[in-house]
Amino acid sequence: AQKITQTQPGMFVQEKEAVTLDCTYDTSDPSYGLFWYKQPSSGEMIFLIYQGSYDQQNATEGRYSLNFQKARKSANLVISASQLGDSAMYFCAMRDMNRDDKIIFGKGTRLHILP
Amino acid sequence: NAGVTQTPKFQVLKTGQSMTLQCAQDMNHEYMSWYRQDPGMGLRLIHYSVGAGITDQGEVPNGYNVSRSTTEDFPLRLLSAAPSQTSVYFCASSPIPGTQAAGELFFGEGSRLTVL
Repeated sequence: AQKITQTQPGMFVQEKEAVTLDCTYDTSDPSYGLFWYKQPSSGEMIFLIYQGSYDQQNATEGRYSLNFQKARKSANLVISASQLGDSAMYFCAMRDMNRDDKIIFGKGTRLHILP
Repeated sequence: NAGVTQTPKFQVLKTGQSMTLQCAQDMNHEYMSWYRQDPGMGLRLIHYSVGAGITDQGEVPNGYNVSRSTTEDFPLRLLSAAPSQTSVYFCASSPIPGTQAAGELFFGEGSRLTVL
């Protein structure tokens, strides 16, 4: 069965520092996708970055990068040069591409950026 | 651009009442889904659909019904509301993943439901 685990309920980081948010997953499907979403205090869900299971290189989108370690089944989000506006909930999600196509989420990490 | 539209945004129900949360998308997405968000629990999948006429259960389907008669609409029905269904509900849609699309979810704004 699919499973997504985010082990950091909350994190405090100094502004301008880099931050790594952990995500591990479990699936028996060889074809899957991994996503990260940001949810600010206003409540909307914002898509940040995507990594496919067959992608050879780690995904990057501006200050966001995904540290994909397939053998360890981890997909950590790295935010470089953090900003106050990065304070939010962050969710990792996974989609099984072959089996039933459903998308499940982890419990999230609340990130606080300190000035 | 409308995207994913959920209604109502807020609703208060009494235990035992029924209601339907509406969800519509105008992006011609095949995949639609409903999640509930509770503090400390993340987003949990209630039901999902990979196309008109096809629905399937997610992680927490009990107490909820869905149907998908058109590509655009995916209503969520609470037949007999319980206080445990107090939550924020999100509808989301996505294209089927392929070479041109990662298949990321597009979310509605959420519906806050309180059951007394």
